[in-house]
Amino acid sequence: AQKVTQAQTEISVVEKEDVTLDCVYETRDTTYYLFWYKQPPSGELVFLIRRNSFDEQNEISGRYSWNFQKSTSSFNFTITASQVVDSAVYFCALRGSNDYKLSFGAGTTVTVRA
Amino acid sequence: NAGVTQTPKFRVLKTGQSMTLLCAQDMNHEYMYWYRQDPGMGLRLIHYSVGEGTTAKGEVPDGYNVSRLKKQNFLLGLESAAPSQTSVYFCASNDSGYYEQYFGPGTRLTVT
Repeated sequence: AQKVTQAQTEISVVEKEDVTLDCVYETRDTTYYLFWYKQPPSGELVFLIRRNSFDEQNEISGRYSWNFQKSTSSFNFTITASQVVDSAVYFCALRGSNDYKLSFGAGTTVTVRA
Repeated sequence: NAGVTQTPKFRVLKTGQSMTLLCAQDMNHEYMYWYRQDPGMGLRLIHYSVGEGTTAKGEVPDGYNVSRLKKQNFLLGLESAAPSQTSVYFCASNDSGYYEQYFGPGTRLTVT
């Protein structure tokens, strides 16, 4: 069974601060896929990134960066120089190689104050 | 491309009523999914389909039925609505060769 834990329920920061969202996962699969999705106040789910278990390279996309550490089963997400538009619920998700479904964490609500 | 669309956006039902939620995608995706989102629980898979004419149960299938008669459509039915089915329902799809799921805008359902 796949399990994703996002221990931080809510994070509140002031604009321009950095914020890191933790994601810890459990799986018995040797091949698996990790994802981050953003859910802004409008409610839709926006795909941000997919990381394969065999690719441990960290990734940066603009102000977003992801740190994948297989040794600690973590896939953390950092927003650098946060902006009000980053206010959203962020979900980490896991899919095993033989799974169809995504197993989601409970989500972390990020509030960025001006 | 419209991507994934869902109809309706909002609905209020009384206990015992039935309804069907429609999901449509124009990306020619093989796989389609229905999730429900409840506070503090992330999204949980209700049913899914790996191709036209196929359906399978997810984590929380009880009280729901689905059908995939056309590749682009995936219907979710509530046979006899219960207050516990008050939730936001999301449809998603992806292509067999890729793993990102693309989500519709959601349907907010309230059962009184």
